[in-house]
Amino acid sequence: LAKTTQPISMDSYEGQEVNITCSHNNIATNDYITWYQQFPSQGPRFIIQGYKTKVTNEVASLFIPADRKSSTLSLPRVSLSDTAVYYCLVGDRGNYGQNFVFGPGTRLSVLP
Amino acid sequence: NAGVTQTPKFQVLKTGQSMTLQCAQDMNHEYMSWYRQDPGMGLRLIHYSVGAGITDQGEVPNGYNVSRSTTEDFPLRLLSAAPSQTSVYFCASRRRGEKLFFGSGTQLSVL
Repeated sequence: LAKTTQPISMDSYEGQEVNITCSHNNIATNDYITWYQQFPSQGPRFIIQGYKTKVTNEVASLFIPADRKSSTLSLPRVSLSDTAVYYCLVGDRGNYGQNFVFGPGTRLSVLP
Repeated sequence: NAGVTQTPKFQVLKTGQSMTLQCAQDMNHEYMSWYRQDPGMGLRLIHYSVGAGITDQGEVPNGYNVSRSTTEDFPLRLLSAAPSQTSVYFCASRRRGEKLFFGSGTQLSVL
């Protein structure tokens, strides 16, 4: 199983861009990188998924270098409502997900 | 679609009592799973199922039982509750190769 390492916490101010980096040195060829967001008292929610290079959707961008040993979740112009825990997961998208490991995640605090 | 529905939202048990946490999904997902989340920690997989009649253990299965008689339902049973099982429990489901959908959680306290 590919292990991931992320910062435990980060602080930012409203309107800033936030970049959260995840390290996954032993990522396998078939593994995808997926990020989830969790608000207090709620279950995690899918944000974005990628395999290589750059993926962008309406809420975030995911940057993956050529060696795929790390990835960076970028949140543009954060607001107070982006305060949450962000989880980086690595796993084979072809399986069901039983091997996806949720570590402690990164606790992002957005300040006014 | 209601998504993944968990009941109850809150539950207090005494040590030794039994109970069942309910989980239902209406998205026809093959995969369903149960996680527990302790304060300040990530989610740990308890049990999972890849289809009706098929279940398997996750990372922390001891003290919990599951069954999957239908595609829609995946109940989690605590046979004899212990204080160490005080946690927030999340049910999740997905179609193979797609994203996980989570329920809103059940907060369980065992006294």
